[in-house]
Amino acid sequence: EVQLVESGGGLVQPGGSLRLSCAASGFTVSSNYMSWVRQAPGKGLEWVSVIYSGGSTYYADSVKGRFTISRDNSKNTLYLQMNSLRAEDTAVYYCARVRAGFDPWGQGTLVTVSS
Amino acid sequence: QSALTQPASVSGSPGQSITISCTGTSSDVGGYNYVSWYQQHPGKAPKLMIYEVSNRPSGVPDRFSGSKSGNTASLTISGLQAEDEADYYCSSYTSSSKGVFGGGTKLTVL
Repeated sequence: EVQLVESGGGLVQPGGSLRLSCAASGFTVSSNYMSWVRQAPGKGLEWVSVIYSGGSTYYADSVKGRFTISRDNSKNTLYLQMNSLRAEDTAVYYCARVRAGFDPWGQGTLVTVSS
Repeated sequence: QSALTQPASVSGSPGQSITISCTGTSSDVGGYNYVSWYQQHPGKAPKLMIYEVSNRPSGVPDRFSGSKSGNTASLTISGLQAEDEADYYCSSYTSSSKGVFGGGTKLTVL
């Protein structure tokens, strides 16, 4: 079964850092395009970042320079390193495989940035 | 990258059909056939309903269909059912190799 499981969310102070993980099963992360998408409380979906199978990475302007997407092929896991966190980064963060559409999605992990 | 434009809400009675529009630019919706649609129920992860403008993943009822004309994509749900009540989002690939979502549409089944 193709599945994604996120972890690593939690409460962090403004200016702090957090690393999210997304463990994949049923397919190989490195052979696919993988993305992070977030959803602030009560708001819509916001595309955050993508890593292509060749290794190229792209970011939304709102997180560029602060967030880094990466993968560990040996662990078949996707990561999102989030630095210099701001209150507006508070959201549920989803990872998703990209294949002409985002599918599947993980269950999401909540990141709360607050003092 | 600006979000794609969707109506905030639509509604319909059981058995009726509704259409949700998704307007972008020639740099996203109009430039590529990589438009997809997602259904999201409260507290749940989004679910892919349509990919590449008009293709349905296995398991999605054929009541759901997609199309595109110029810079506007559309999702049509025919034979509305109570369980279709949810938020719907469109998404597109962009010329900057990134992704973009619409603001979301809340579907109410009356």
